[in-house]
Amino acid sequence: KNEVEQSPQNLTAQEGEFITINCSYSVGISALHWLQQHPGGGIVSLFMLSSGKKKHGRLIATINIQEKHSSLHITASHPRDSAVYICAVRARAYNTDKLIFGTGTRLQVFP
Amino acid sequence: KAGVTQTPRYLIKTRGQQVTLSCSPISGHRSVSWYQQTPGQGLQFLFEYFSETQRNKGNFPGRFSGRQFSNSRSEMNVSTLELGDSALYLCASSLDRGTLSSYNEQFFGPGTRLTVL
Repeated sequence: KNEVEQSPQNLTAQEGEFITINCSYSVGISALHWLQQHPGGGIVSLFMLSSGKKKHGRLIATINIQEKHSSLHITASHPRDSAVYICAVRARAYNTDKLIFGTGTRLQVFP
Repeated sequence: KAGVTQTPRYLIKTRGQQVTLSCSPISGHRSVSWYQQTPGQGLQFLFEYFSETQRNKGNFPGRFSGRQFSNSRSEMNVSTLELGDSALYLCASSLDRGTLSSYNEQFFGPGTRLTVL
């Protein structure tokens, strides 16, 4: 079993829909990242959080440390949101930035 | 402020050759991590450097090695290339104040796409 699990693996939406991507992890963490990767492109960090909730524009990320679960929400989705979204956790260990990645969620938003 | 840069962006090699990839972190960042991304295995941690020292290593064979220079720039080397080494190699840097309570956001470079023929 992977230490970081994401669901769903693939997601199709119509423009304007509210989207949720889920991430569950089994290790103790110091932080969780949500990353975005466009086809053929590099990776952009959307959020890094260790508790509570963060919002940036139409994107909202939440984390529940007790339940070892995080969600990424996209409100009013747009075709430009089409990308792979990756959850990654930083293990709770001294002196390391090592990230453990989920397998990613491929999102396609159609006009 | 310039982002993380990686060179070269694309590389084609043949089996048995060796390759060196370079990563320049964001100015002031002292921690550099390397990751491999393949369609089959996804993103996997290779190694992490901090102040010229390897701080952590992933589960990769000894053909994969790296180093960090005093200016925080980092290189990774793969010797005796195999077909399975074809991948996108990503570098990420973070500020890392070196304290237990610091959790440092990593900033990723655009990657080097290596194709082994």
